[in-house]
Amino acid sequence: SQQGEEDPQALSIQEGENATMNCSYKTSINNLQWYRQNSGRGLVHLILIRSNEREKHSGRLRVTLDTSKKSSSLLITASRAADTASYFCATDAGEWGAQKLVFGQGTRLTINP
Amino acid sequence: DTAVSQTPKYLVTQMGNDKSIKCEQNLGHDTMYWYKQDSKKFLKIMFSYNNKELIINETVPNRFSPKSPDKAHLNLHINSLELGDSAVYFCASSQDLFTSGGSFSYNEQFFGPGTRLTVL
Repeated sequence: SQQGEEDPQALSIQEGENATMNCSYKTSINNLQWYRQNSGRGLVHLILIRSNEREKHSGRLRVTLDTSKKSSSLLITASRAADTASYFCATDAGEWGAQKLVFGQGTRLTINP
Repeated sequence: DTAVSQTPKYLVTQMGNDKSIKCEQNLGHDTMYWYKQDSKKFLKIMFSYNNKELIINETVPNRFSPKSPDKAHLNLHINSLELGDSAVYFCASSQDLFTSGGSFSYNEQFFGPGTRLTVL
């Protein structure tokens, strides 16, 4: 079954507004990562947050992690048209020596000019 | 310089054929992966290799056979293609770390541009 699930599945906002996407997961994790995928392209890593961290920033991105609620959020501030993409959270899973990343189904973000 | 490259970018073929997708990374990473992304954008791991050794085989049909000639290359061969194999296949690589406490820590994964496979 899926480890991470993003919410909402689709989000459409005006340029300049903030975009918030959420991710929930089921089992304990060592870290959680967020990736972006532009249409027709591969995934690009955005940010990694470890299980002992609560918040992390990278430019206009802010990620929070609440391990008690098994959830994370990705905030993009002052959105731009170029932020239009799908955003995926990924959590580590599997047994020691055979770990893997499990991706959610993504949030499709559209920034309207 | 391209970090993770895949060829071909597009592959259109008939049901029953055999095809291969090639992947190369020039990042010096130890671990490489194959993922399948379906039409609903769901990305699922198929295989992972660490230093040419198979680590994960995610209950993929044995028509799919990965081959790692060296740690910079991971190719995917698919026999007897079926309609349901149509998807985008992504190769990725990472340099994973083992912490001093013995736990495993992931670094970011670098993805190739994908190969869109269409089976007719």
